[in-house]
Amino acid sequence: KQEVTQIPAALSVPEGENLVLNCSFTDSAIYNLQWFRQDPGKGLTSLLLIQSSQREQTSGRLNASLDKSSGRSTLYIAASQPGDSATYLCAVRKKDNDMRFGAGTRLTVKP
Amino acid sequence: EPEVTQTPSHQVTQMGQEVILRCVPISNHLYFYWYRQILGQKVEFLVSFYNNEISEKSEIFDDQFSVERPDGSNFTLKIRSTKLEDSAMYFCASEQGAEYEQYFGPGTRLTVT
Repeated sequence: KQEVTQIPAALSVPEGENLVLNCSFTDSAIYNLQWFRQDPGKGLTSLLLIQSSQREQTSGRLNASLDKSSGRSTLYIAASQPGDSATYLCAVRKKDNDMRFGAGTRLTVKP
Repeated sequence: EPEVTQTPSHQVTQMGQEVILRCVPISNHLYFYWYRQILGQKVEFLVSFYNNEISEKSEIFDDQFSVERPDGSNFTLKIRSTKLEDSAMYFCASEQGAEYEQYFGPGTRLTVT
């Protein structure tokens, strides 16, 4: 059974700092991996999707990498801003639709 | 930009009552999903729906749950006889295909008293 773990559970950084969020998964036979942002009491906003054949994806200040063989993904946020404060979730997908989520990293960026 | 919408945003119901949660997926999407998130816990997959039938369901999705796409736009989740433990945020999601991003709605907060 696929288990998805995110470390750290919470992170507080000063504005402007670059940071890395980690996601690991136990079964490397994934179809893709998606990073989401969740604001308190809100839905999930898709940030980046990495297919199993890709190594990384970039969108603005965000860069996500994938090392399928070791079961790891990282989300790099450059020049963090207070507006980046949210919970970041990673989710891995098997070919038969089932998407498994990590518990998330709660990020606080202090002005 | 197209988005997934859900109604109601908050539903309060008594234990044993039936509830229907409604979703309007993005119009050209073909795959539809329901997830739930109990307060403070992970997002959990419930069911996926394609071509007017369930393609996969989790162990949570028991006989108390059903899904339907009654017309070309709505996608509903019905809970027949709610339990206290059904209290959660329920998210609908849709996508064009498995290789594409899933887009989530804002969620319906279900409170069972």
